[in-house]
Amino acid sequence: KAGVTQTPRYLIKTRGQQVTLSCSPISGHRSVSWYQQTPGQGLQFLFEYFSETQRNKGNFPGRFSGRQFSNSRSEMNVSTLELGDSALYLCASSPQTGSTQYFGPGTRLTVL
Amino acid sequence: AQKVTQAQTEISVVEKEDVTLDCVYETRDTTYYLFWYKQPPSGELVFLIRRNSFDEQNEISGRYSWNFQKSTSSFNFTITASQVVDSAVYFCALSELPYGGSQGNLIFGKGTKLSVKP
Repeated sequence: KAGVTQTPRYLIKTRGQQVTLSCSPISGHRSVSWYQQTPGQGLQFLFEYFSETQRNKGNFPGRFSGRQFSNSRSEMNVSTLELGDSALYLCASSPQTGSTQYFGPGTRLTVL
Repeated sequence: AQKVTQAQTEISVVEKEDVTLDCVYETRDTTYYLFWYKQPPSGELVFLIRRNSFDEQNEISGRYSWNFQKSTSSFNFTITASQVVDSAVYFCALSELPYGGSQGNLIFGKGTKLSVKP
């Protein structure tokens, strides 16, 4: 089976812009979770989608949002980018909520 | 509150040495899962192992072994005869079952950077 794929792999944006990141889960996996990784805060949970519904959300401002499509692919959007949003954004998929999560290669976002 | 602590920020060893990465966790639940992930320089988190809270048996997979002790809330990871390819950041993570107020997401430790020198 193909693994989790994320696009784009690298992104450079300026403050105030918005960005959309994409994640395609492993075939058959219905749960997609997003995590932000920064040197200071480490790996932090953003949100989880299951069957097109947001099931859980971490402690992030409303500028961070996401959605999931009927084919389980997911996108996350960050609006009004801030310098502190520079991070590696990792997507993980699992067959269902609570089962082992398998990660993609991440999207490295740089905000200038 | 759930928390995972990896006290070792960085470890450096010479090839063929054994190395143990420590992980201590906190959780209010009696049922939970513990994980280890490896993150090589490429950035992708690679799943290594999952353990549930009812299974305290140690596990060995090749050069890797894991020691789970509920009494001390620890889930340590040992690499035997380390190799240069083992160089990476290793993360310990905890997840509670997704009911009763728990979200079921992964709570990660800060990671331990392992450098294996030839």
